[in-house]
Formats: sequence, structure tokens, C-alpha cells
Amino acid sequence: ETGVTQTPRHLVMGMTNKKSLKCEQHLGHNAMYWYKQSAKKPLELMFVYNFKEQTENNSVPSRFSPECPNSSHLFLHLHTLQPEDSALYLCASSQDLASSGNTIYFGEGSWLTVV
Amino acid sequence: AQSVTQLDSQVPVFEEAPVELRCNYSSSVSVYLFWYVQYPNQGLQLLLKYLSGSTLVKGINGFEAEFNKSQTSFHLRKPSVHISDTAEYFCAVSPFYGGSQGNLIFGKGTKLSVKP
Repeated sequence: ETGVTQTPRHLVMGMTNKKSLKCEQHLGHNAMYWYKQSAKKPLELMFVYNFKEQTENNSVPSRFSPECPNSSHLFLHLHTLQPEDSALYLCASSQDLASSGNTIYFGEGSWLTVV
Repeated sequence: AQSVTQLDSQVPVFEEAPVELRCNYSSSVSVYLFWYVQYPNQGLQLLLKYLSGSTLVKGINGFEAEFNKSQTSFHLRKPSVHISDTAEYFCAVSPFYGGSQGNLIFGKGTKLSVKP
């Protein structure tokens, strides 16, 4: 069981499509994250939100657009993606930022395939 | 900047054997240390973490890790593994305040395969 829920679990999209990944945390946390997990690279932090404000953008291409309407919800809007963007996208949350030593709790991920 | 090295990409062991998964890190500032586990088709779950105090940290499922500051290592151990421990294990570090806010830097992972 997880306090962080991601939908959809699987998504196949064409390079010209627009889609969104959704994340909801039920833990009362203040910080939320998007990570990318691909086969050939370590887990990569993409975005960090703290109290709904973006605190970090780890040089992510603009074809990925995050949105955090409140502390419980986080979206990742996708448009004109490339095949190399195919990966597992993990949402996570923590009570406060990880730099405080807080545990980060992960969702089960959304598997994205770009065709 | 910080980096994490997990020397072994795959570790096969037999059931009930002991296992050690190695993790070394590099950082110019003090860090917190974590081990996460990822079972097939699931997200990551925290096994244990080191913040301060005793260098031997006990986690869930019988795992423990020892922080060695001089060797900048945080190796994960279990004295007797089960088939259910088959998973991928990730070592991660997070810098204290003053470093990259909110960033958890991961190693590439070690796939533990437990055979009967």
C-alpha cells in the first residue's frame, strides 16, 4: 500500500499527443517530487515543489510541464515528447524537503511509452 | 556536488546466505544516507536511513547498514536472505541544508536475485 497514488499506471502516447500524469498524496506532506527512472540512468530528480511552490527544476526540457494546484496534488503535463522520454515516472512526497533528512515516499510510478 | 556509486549492478545469492550490497558516496558537505528497495512493478520503499548517532542502522525486513565516514561508505547487509528479498536496491544521499534543496541523489541500483 502506498500513500502516494499515481494515474495512469501505463500510458502510450504518440510524439504529437498531449497527455498528463497525475499524482495524489494522502500523507499530509508539504513537499512533492517528480523523478524519472530509465533503464540506462540512475533515478533523476525532475521537479521539486514545497508548499505548492516550485523550488527546483533540474534542467528538464520544456516539453515536460509540472503543475501543483495544492500540496496534495501534482501533475506532469506532457507534449511533443520523444521516444527517449519513455521511462517510469515516479511521484514522491515528504513531510518537508529531503535536505532536512525527511523520508521520501514514492508512488508506484507511471510507465510511459512514446511511440 | 554529490555522487553515489553502487559497485555491483547484480548480486546473485542462494536463499539463507548472507548478503552485502556496497555503496560509496562522494560529497563536499555532510549528507544523510538512505537505502531504498524497489520490488518488481512497484515504486521505491525506504529500508533504512542514517541521520546521525549510532553508525549501525537497522531497517525493515532484517536489513541493516553501517555508515563509515572515513571510507565514505554505507553498505547494506542481511545475515540470511529470503526469496522475497529479490528486488532492486538503491543507495541515496541527501545533503544537509546548504546543499541542493530537496534533492535525493541515487546510485544506479543493485539487483539482488535470491535463488532457492
